[in-house]
Amino acid sequence: AQSVTQLDSHVSVSEGTPVLLRCNYSSSYSPSLFWYVQHPNKGLQLLLKYTSAATLVKGINGFEAEFKKSETSFHLTKPSAHMSDAAEYFCVVTSNAGNNRKLIWGLGTSLAVNP
Amino acid sequence: GAVVSQHPSWVICKSGTSVKIECRSLDFQATTMFWYRQFPKQSLMLMATSNEGSKATYEQGVEKDKFLINHASLTLSTLTVTSAHPEDSSFYICSAREWENSYNEQFFGPGTRLTVL
Repeated sequence: AQSVTQLDSHVSVSEGTPVLLRCNYSSSYSPSLFWYVQHPNKGLQLLLKYTSAATLVKGINGFEAEFKKSETSFHLTKPSAHMSDAAEYFCVVTSNAGNNRKLIWGLGTSLAVNP
Repeated sequence: GAVVSQHPSWVICKSGTSVKIECRSLDFQATTMFWYRQFPKQSLMLMATSNEGSKATYEQGVEKDKFLINHASLTLSTLTVTSAHPEDSSFYICSAREWENSYNEQFFGPGTRLTVL
C-alpha cells in the first residue's frame, strides 16, 4: 500500500531564510509524487510533480524537490522564504489503483513566515 | 488552461435540506472527477471517484445515499448532500483529470464551504 508522511505539522521560518518541508513516502512501485499548496480560502495549487523523469524537480515560485529513492523522500525546499509563502503544504503520492489512480495525501505542513 | 470551477463557493442551509454543489472543468474534458472533504486544519479525504456516464465509486465509510454524485457530462459533476445535518458542515473540494493526462495529475476546484445550521 502507498502512504505518505509529512514529518512536520508546522514549520516557522524568517523571511529570507531557507525553507525545508519534509516528506517520506511508501510505495511498492515507482510512484508519482506531488506537492500542493493551499492558501487560506483559496484552492489547491500544484507546486511541482515528480513522474520518473529528473529526480530534481523545479516548481513554481522558486520551490523545488528532490526525489531520493534510497531514502524514500521527496522533501520540498526553497532558498529564500517570502511572506506570501505562508500556507498549508501537502505532499501527495499516487496509489496503484489501476486506471483510477487515487491521490494519497499527507496530513499537511503549515508554513509560517515571520518578518 | 486546466481550470476547474465550483459553485457555489459557500452555502448555508438548514438541517434537513439538500444542497447541490457543481464542479465544472472549463477548458478540458474530464473523464474522471473526484470529490474530497476537508475538515478544518486537516488533510483532504477522498469521498468518491466518478467516471463520466457511470456510477461513482465511494470510499469506505462514505454513505452513497447521503452524498449523491452525478457525472452526466465530460465537463460537469455534481455532489448533492441530502438531508444535511450540522456534522456535514465541511469544505468540499472537487478535482478533475483530463483524458489525455498520463501522469494522474488532478486539477482542483476552489472548494465549497458548507455550513449546516
